[in-house]
Amino acid sequence: DAGITQSPRHKVTETGTPVTLRCHQTENHRYMYWYRQDPGHGLRLIHYSYGVKDTDKGEVSDGYSVSRSKTEDFLLTLESATSSQTSVYFCAISDSGLRGRGYTFGSGTRLTVV
Amino acid sequence: AQSVTQPDIHITVSEGASLELRCNYSYGATPYLFWYVQSPGQGLQLLLKYFSGDTLVQGIKGFEAEFKRSQSSFNLRKPSVHWSDAAEYFCAVVETGANNLFFGTGTRLTVIP
Repeated sequence: DAGITQSPRHKVTETGTPVTLRCHQTENHRYMYWYRQDPGHGLRLIHYSYGVKDTDKGEVSDGYSVSRSKTEDFLLTLESATSSQTSVYFCAISDSGLRGRGYTFGSGTRLTVV
Repeated sequence: AQSVTQPDIHITVSEGASLELRCNYSYGATPYLFWYVQSPGQGLQLLLKYFSGDTLVQGIKGFEAEFKRSQSSFNLRKPSVHWSDAAEYFCAVVETGANNLFFGTGTRLTVIP
């Protein structure tokens, strides 16, 4: 979607390697989120950020870490990738919270861990 | 804990027929409720949202949803489905005052000619 970019779009990595996914926004929105999408589970929140250097865990945060050193970038790191982390990862942003326009989602990163 | 249930994993309708996708939530107070649509290979797009007030909410693409507190439901409807509506639909809920969306597992809609 316009204003939010995820990179890479696709990645294949080996078990045990670290992986970093990037979410970049040009909207200057305060809130940023990382979700994973898996069949039968919908989207589940991994981590979110409510400002630079302010982050918190979501419901499926084990094995993941995040960093936000600038307003526009929110990085998701898989510290040691496992096959269970094969998924589609979505970044989302929001401005004044959900009473505004709600979330804007990126196009996703498809990660395969072999 | 809040949760969202979409009981229908897959629905098939004929083009021009009416559509209703079900969503039930579990939450003590009145939550904020949302419907999102996801086309294949794409991110999610907001269809509509409910915060308070009129329980019938109009959204984009001709969709509407009705909040029924007594049934803890927020079902999505469209009177006449178009082939381009084929996608996956997600209901989501957030605790009042919070910012984190909880999603249902989704309903995949197939539209047949």
